[in-house]
Amino acid sequence: SAVISQKPSRDICQRGTSLTIQCQVDSQVTMMFWYRQQPGQSLTLIATANQGSEATYESGFVIDKFPISRPNLTFSTLTVSNMSPEDSSIYLCSASYRGPEAFFGQGTRLTVV
Amino acid sequence: DAKTTQPTSMDCAEGRAANLPCNHSTISGNEYVYWYRQIHSQGPQYIIHGLKNNETNEMASLIITEDRKSSTLILPHATLRDTAVYYCIVRVADYTGKLIFGQGTTLQVKP
Repeated sequence: SAVISQKPSRDICQRGTSLTIQCQVDSQVTMMFWYRQQPGQSLTLIATANQGSEATYESGFVIDKFPISRPNLTFSTLTVSNMSPEDSSIYLCSASYRGPEAFFGQGTRLTVV
Repeated sequence: DAKTTQPTSMDCAEGRAANLPCNHSTISGNEYVYWYRQIHSQGPQYIIHGLKNNETNEMASLIITEDRKSSTLILPHATLRDTAVYYCIVRVADYTGKLIFGQGTTLQVKP
């Protein structure tokens, strides 16, 4: 299994600012992903974080708004840029070892005011 | 990935079996059925997956119909801690870990 730590666990931010969320895995994993969960909704995949190269974004998500880094096999960051109240969500990091099971962090609860 | 349909919500009495259905009528031959759950304020947790045979682990059993168009997740003795949103996901076994979540079923286990 993998233990995934996210920081911060929650934050309240002013509109127009940016927040970087960190995701640390306790072992080297093959794949890392970022999801968004809007209030009362299911999870939506934002992107696949690729080590050493640009992330692969899902439809509706762009790099300028959600820049992602993955400098090594255990760490990734997601930045939510130029935030608006519509960005208020839980952001979750996920990782897998190329097996059937994906592991998730506890999420970062973001409120934009 | 094939689309899945799940009831929005279900109730279950504590200690009884919880049977959560999932329809996936457009499933392809190389697609597996995965189940995850999300307990309030936590990240999703893997439960079980299967291709066509019934599967059982320490958490649950997965029953897949012979035509593979539907499946049922069974929690044999539900406890209050099993109250969660349960997601049925159909995807190929490419082992990328990439998951597309539907709306899921909110299971409320009642005393």
